Amino acid sequence: GENVEQHPSTLSVQEGDSAVIKCTYSDSASNYFPWYKQELGKRPQLIIDIRSNVGEKKDQRIAVTLNKTAKHFSLHITETQPEDSAVYFCAASKSTSGTYKYIFGTGTRLKVLA
Amino acid sequence: GAVVSQHPSRVICKSGTSVKIECRSLDFQATTMFWYRQFPKQSLMLMATSNEGSKATYEQGVEKDKFLINHASLTLSTLTVTSAHPEDSSFYICSARIPDAGYTFGSGTRLTVV
Repeated sequence: GENVEQHPSTLSVQEGDSAVIKCTYSDSASNYFPWYKQELGKRPQLIIDIRSNVGEKKDQRIAVTLNKTAKHFSLHITETQPEDSAVYFCAASKSTSGTYKYIFGTGTRLKVLA
Repeated sequence: GAVVSQHPSRVICKSGTSVKIECRSLDFQATTMFWYRQFPKQSLMLMATSNEGSKATYEQGVEKDKFLINHASLTLSTLTVTSAHPEDSSFYICSARIPDAGYTFGSGTRLTVV
C-alpha cells in the first residue's frame, strides 16, 4: 500500500545551524507534498508545500526539494531558532476525483538548542 | 482566514459510553472532511474520509460501526466513538479542504477513556 517514510525520528541542532528532514514515498502517482509543523497538543500547521512539477521551493528560512525519480523530498530549515522546535510531518498525496488524500510520514521531533 | 472549529478539545468518558466530536468549517463549505487519529509521539493516521451527503469511506482496519461519521451539511462533520474503551484514548483531529488553498486542520480532541 501507500507508504511514506520519514527520517530522522529525532533531530537536535544548535541554534543557528541547519536542519534537514527527509521523506521517501512509495506511490509514484503522488503529486503534492506538504510539510506540517505540530507543536505539542496543537493542530498541525502547513509550513510549505511543493507540487510534482517543481523541483525546489523556498520560503525565507524554509525550503523543500523534490526528486521525483528517486521518490523522495526533503525539508531544509536554515538559521534555526528555538521556536522551530516542534514535530514536523511530511505527507504525500495525489488527487482522486478532485480530493487529495494525505499519507503522513512518521514525524521528526526537532529540538533547537539555545 | 478559513478555519475548522473542532469541539470538544478534551473529553474524559467512562468505558462503554459514546463520545461525539464535531468539526465545523467556518466561512467556507467543506464538502470533504478527513478524520485522523494520533497516538502520543506518533504520526497522524487517516481513519476515514467523509463526504457531505454520502457515506464515509473508512481506511483499512478502522471499524465503521465503532467510529460513526456523519457529514449531514456542508459545514459540519461529526465523529462518534461508540462503546469507548481505554484503547480508544487518543488525539482525534479533522481536516478539511479550503477551496483553492489547501487543507486546514481542526484543533484536535484529546479523548481519555477511563
